[in-house]
Amino acid sequence: GAGVSQSPSNKVTEKGKDVELRCDPISGHTALYWYRQSLGQGLEFLIYFQGNSAPDKSGLPSDRFSAERTGGSVSTLTIQRTQQEDSAVYLCASSADGTYGYTFGSGTRLTVV
Amino acid sequence: AQSVAQPEDQVNVAEGNPLTVKCTYSVSGNPYLFWYVQYPNRGLQFLLKYITGDNLVKGSYGFEAEFNKSQTSFHLKKPSALVSDSALYFCAVRDIDDYKLSFGAGTTVTVRA
Repeated sequence: GAGVSQSPSNKVTEKGKDVELRCDPISGHTALYWYRQSLGQGLEFLIYFQGNSAPDKSGLPSDRFSAERTGGSVSTLTIQRTQQEDSAVYLCASSADGTYGYTFGSGTRLTVV
Repeated sequence: AQSVAQPEDQVNVAEGNPLTVKCTYSVSGNPYLFWYVQYPNRGLQFLLKYITGDNLVKGSYGFEAEFNKSQTSFHLKKPSALVSDSALYFCAVRDIDDYKLSFGAGTTVTVRA
């Protein structure tokens, strides 16, 4: 596609429920990143995918968070047993080869009530 | 390790006046530097980047930034600010041997008419 697409744009969920956030990167981009932006905070790196290599999961805050990327394209970030502190905007970005800059999606605003 | 500091949470200027948003960075090797802008309820939009070459980089919407290696700074500037420049600005850095972008906490710019 022309840009990075994320869905849903907004998600309200009850504490303890699982959520899935989707990212559809720019076609042909081999690198995909997830970041989290909490209110008043900068962007926190979560996970990085590059082609068929094993992902860098070093930024995932707990084992409740996981992500996968199918076929080197679409990625899903899953948060299990959501907590209120998970409320944030989750941003996805893709890059042609992991160098230079990144193109960001509009994000998914997650609210855990 | 790499990090970015944006020492000002907020910058307020009058329309038509010069705008400067400060950024300093720390990397172990040579840096790639970026500025992004975020409008309300939107994703991050790329403004400009420094990879190599001229220290003065020109970007979108009349913005420019100067790479200063000795001061490890990459301040964003615009000679004449517009009300429409009011947004949240992020500085980001990555080491050329790494793939993760590290972001500053962001600076909210308000341009008053």
